[in-house]
Amino acid sequence: QVTLRESGPALLPPTQTLGLTCTFSGFSLKTRGVRVSWIRQPPGKALEWLARIDWDDNDAFYSTSLKARLTISKDTSRNQVFLTMTNMDPVDTATYYCARSLGVATGFDSWGQGVLVTVSS
Amino acid sequence: DIQMTQSPSSLSASVGDRVTITCRTSQSISNYLHWYQQKPGKAPRLLIYGATSLQSGVPSRFSGGGSGTDFTLTISSLQTEDFATYYCQQSYSTRITFGQGTRLEIK
Repeated sequence: QVTLRESGPALLPPTQTLGLTCTFSGFSLKTRGVRVSWIRQPPGKALEWLARIDWDDNDAFYSTSLKARLTISKDTSRNQVFLTMTNMDPVDTATYYCARSLGVATGFDSWGQGVLVTVSS
Repeated sequence: DIQMTQSPSSLSASVGDRVTITCRTSQSISNYLHWYQQKPGKAPRLLIYGATSLQSGVPSRFSGGGSGTDFTLTISSLQTEDFATYYCQQSYSTRITFGQGTRLEIK
């Protein structure tokens, strides 16, 4: 059974750096074709893709608009993917999801339950 | 980035109705188009991948069509549990993008 679970702070002051962890089971990020993405959703708004890391050590991709603030990394031995986002602002308040895809043509077939991060002083 | 435009943004329908949601992309994406259903407080659920392929476990009343720049999601006979928000997403580009969503409400 494939599961993903996000963890991180529920509340973060403006200008701070957000650190999120996605812990998964039921698959390996060492398997060819496997990818894990971070996606966020502000309250009442649409989904926004943030970043993706692949089974291949050299492959990581970022949202054009947020690239300067994002870093995605992984620990394949612990089945975890990490996301850091610098200089957080109240507009970054959102539910942050991690999700798995198995290739360019398959979509996100498994999602975590999401973690709501509120940016406020 | 590839822009995704869904229409309508909201839709009222009755149980048993046939409904179609459209997604248009700013450039051709072949069939790298996927559809999701999201209910309040829940993560999205993959319904259709590769424009036309039904994800395992999804009822057959859901179907997808299209290629290139114009795509559709059709629900052949609405059930109570189908009232939700639907999103399209492209994976043609490494910069993945989602549509703005279509909210399907009970009439």
